[in-house]
Amino acid sequence: GQQLNQSPQSMFIQEGEDVSMNCTSSSIFNTWLWYKQDPGEGPVLLIALYKAGELTSNGRLTAQFGITRKDSFLNISASIPSDVGIYFCAVNQGGSEKLVFGKGTKLTVNP
Amino acid sequence: EAGVAQSPRYKIIEKRQSVAFWCNPISGHATLYWYQQILGQGPKLLIQFQNNGVVDDSQLPKDRFSAERLKGVDSTLKIQPAKLEDSAVYLCASSFGGSDTQYFGPGTRLTVL
Repeated sequence: GQQLNQSPQSMFIQEGEDVSMNCTSSSIFNTWLWYKQDPGEGPVLLIALYKAGELTSNGRLTAQFGITRKDSFLNISASIPSDVGIYFCAVNQGGSEKLVFGKGTKLTVNP
Repeated sequence: EAGVAQSPRYKIIEKRQSVAFWCNPISGHATLYWYQQILGQGPKLLIQFQNNGVVDDSQLPKDRFSAERLKGVDSTLKIQPAKLEDSAVYLCASSFGGSDTQYFGPGTRLTVL
């Protein structure tokens, strides 16, 4: 099946620092999604990207849909302790509602 | 608005036993999904329902897993018999259908001993 490569696998940062993570694929996709999962909870959608080159912000979060349609990145500015969690990229496979997820980037923020 | 409800939250069983999970989607959501999330991995789709019909069950291990959504609302996922490798979090999600926004429940953490 389709594999999404997320990096880094984990990050340890200080509160107030900016964070960047990315997701790549060998295939082209028309939708890229970023989810966050808190411990003991299900993933929550942060940002959805539908157009190549699109740059979308949601508060301190900014995500971009790569021009090649094979990658996406997520930036978090001025991190705070509640940013702790696992961030997943996901794509729609086959033009359906079926989502394929990456393995996630685990973020730890030290106060 | 109430979110996706799942129960139980935790379950511990021995291998070869049976287990069932329940999901109640957000009211009005026609599409319901079951995902398996193994520790350290992203969620993997097991089955997708549109109302009470199956849309995609290509990754469901049908020799031991079954799922139903008889009235097009809530759903159950069953494993019989369970294996050690079934230890995972089982997530239910729902959407209106034709939308990318899937809303996830808190999941059921299954441990098979």
